[in-house]
Amino acid sequence: GAVVSQHPSRVICKSGTSVKIECRSLDFQATTMFWYRQFPKQSLMLMATSNEGSKATYEQGVEKDKFLINHASLTLSTLTVTSAHPEDSSFYICSATRDRGNEQYFGPGTRLTVT
Amino acid sequence: GENVEQHPSTLSVQEGDSAVIKCTYSDSASNYFPWYKQELGKRPQLIIDIRSNVGEKKDQRIAVTLNKTAKHFSLHITETQPEDSAVYFCAARGLDMDTGRRALTFGSGTRLQVQP
Repeated sequence: GAVVSQHPSRVICKSGTSVKIECRSLDFQATTMFWYRQFPKQSLMLMATSNEGSKATYEQGVEKDKFLINHASLTLSTLTVTSAHPEDSSFYICSATRDRGNEQYFGPGTRLTVT
Repeated sequence: GENVEQHPSTLSVQEGDSAVIKCTYSDSASNYFPWYKQELGKRPQLIIDIRSNVGEKKDQRIAVTLNKTAKHFSLHITETQPEDSAVYFCAARGLDMDTGRRALTFGSGTRLQVQP
C-alpha cells in the first residue's frame, strides 16, 4: 500500500505557458501533500504544504501566484506552474502522508523543461 | 525552522567496506529522522528511519544511530555493494509551532560510490 503517482512524468513547454502537474495517492487518503523541487545535483527543497480543503502553505521565497496548488480531494493535489520560464526547469516531486503518520510517500517526480 | 547539515558530500568506498554518513539538525523538537536513497531521475526511497525515542535501529546491512543530546544522527552501511551506489539524503521532521506544519527538512545529500 501507500502508492503515490504523478502525471506527467516529463513535460516540455515553451516559456510563458502554464503547466499542471498532478499528484495522486492511489490506495490511501492523504491528509497532507507536499511539493518539492529538486535542481540537478541538489537536495529536495520544500515548496509548499497542501492540506485538503484549505489553502496551501508556501515556503519563504516561493511565489504562490506563480506556483498554484489545489488540493481538491483527499487523493489529489495539483501544482500549476504559471507563466513558466527556463529557470523553472526542474524535477518536481510530491509526497503524501496519511493521518498523523510520520512516513512520507513520494511520487515518481515530474521533469519539467521550459524552452 | 529546522536546518539539517549532512557530511560528506561525496564518499567513495571499496566493495565490502563500510560507509558512514552523518547529519546534524538544529531543532530539538524534531522527532522523526528518515534516510532516503535516490537514484538518478528517480524518487527518493526510504531505506530506514528512526524516531526520537530510540537510539539505534538496524535493518540487515543498514543501521541508523541517533544522539538527541548532540542533535546528530548517522547512517551506517556495512558490506557495501556496487548497487548501493546512489545519493543518500537524511531528513528531520518536527512541528512548526507557527504553522502547525509537519514537513521534512532534507540534508544536502551524499553521493556514495562503491568501487567493485
